[in-house]
Amino acid sequence: SYELTQPLSVSVALGQTASISCGGNNIERKNVHWYQQKPGQAPVLVLYTDYLRPSGIPERFSGSNSGNTATLTISRAQAGDEADYYCQVWDSSAYVFGTGTKVTVL
Amino acid sequence: EVQLVESGGGLVIPGGSLRLSCAASGFTFNNAWMSWVRQAPGKGLEWVGRIKSKTDGETGDYAAPVKGRFTISREDSKNTLYLQMNSLKTEDTGVYYCTRGSGTYYGASDIWGQGTKVTVSS
Repeated sequence: SYELTQPLSVSVALGQTASISCGGNNIERKNVHWYQQKPGQAPVLVLYTDYLRPSGIPERFSGSNSGNTATLTISRAQAGDEADYYCQVWDSSAYVFGTGTKVTVL
Repeated sequence: EVQLVESGGGLVIPGGSLRLSCAASGFTFNNAWMSWVRQAPGKGLEWVGRIKSKTDGETGDYAAPVKGRFTISREDSKNTLYLQMNSLKTEDTGVYYCTRGSGTYYGASDIWGQGTKVTVSS
């Protein structure tokens, strides 16, 4: 089965840039979606199809996908960006989520 | 207001059954492809399965760990999605979320419910 690997945690200073990777075999051939989940809350879609933002998501959230790695980038990090982030792809008639990354804003 | 509200969670013994419901409002439910996603305590998200719209065949796809035990169905007249869970195992414990797969967003889940908690324990 297809696997998506994310770093367990990423720390970023307030106002700086955080990058979260999502590794998968030839992931560049897939559409990658990204979700943000804050403690005790349901996930929220922050990027779809690699780099597109749903309405209401700030431009500070951007994405890319190349080779075996997709990346979610958070620019000018704010305290409110502190959350768990998950990537997701569709493979072989099933969705797969990444292992999840906890982002801490220092 | 666009909303999904899950219900039906609770405590069940291993080997038992449970049916979850998800009431949708604020959008055209019968056109939507709907999914269930779960999250074990302190763990990450796990996709459970999805059902297509009736016009697209109303067929289901399931994750390997639940295939043959779980069944997703829908009742468009009631704007309601269901998850029938049989032969439950302790590893099925978690919060179950109902989500909408957005056609606009290439299948990404753009609407999530607040979740319903399922505990499988003797």
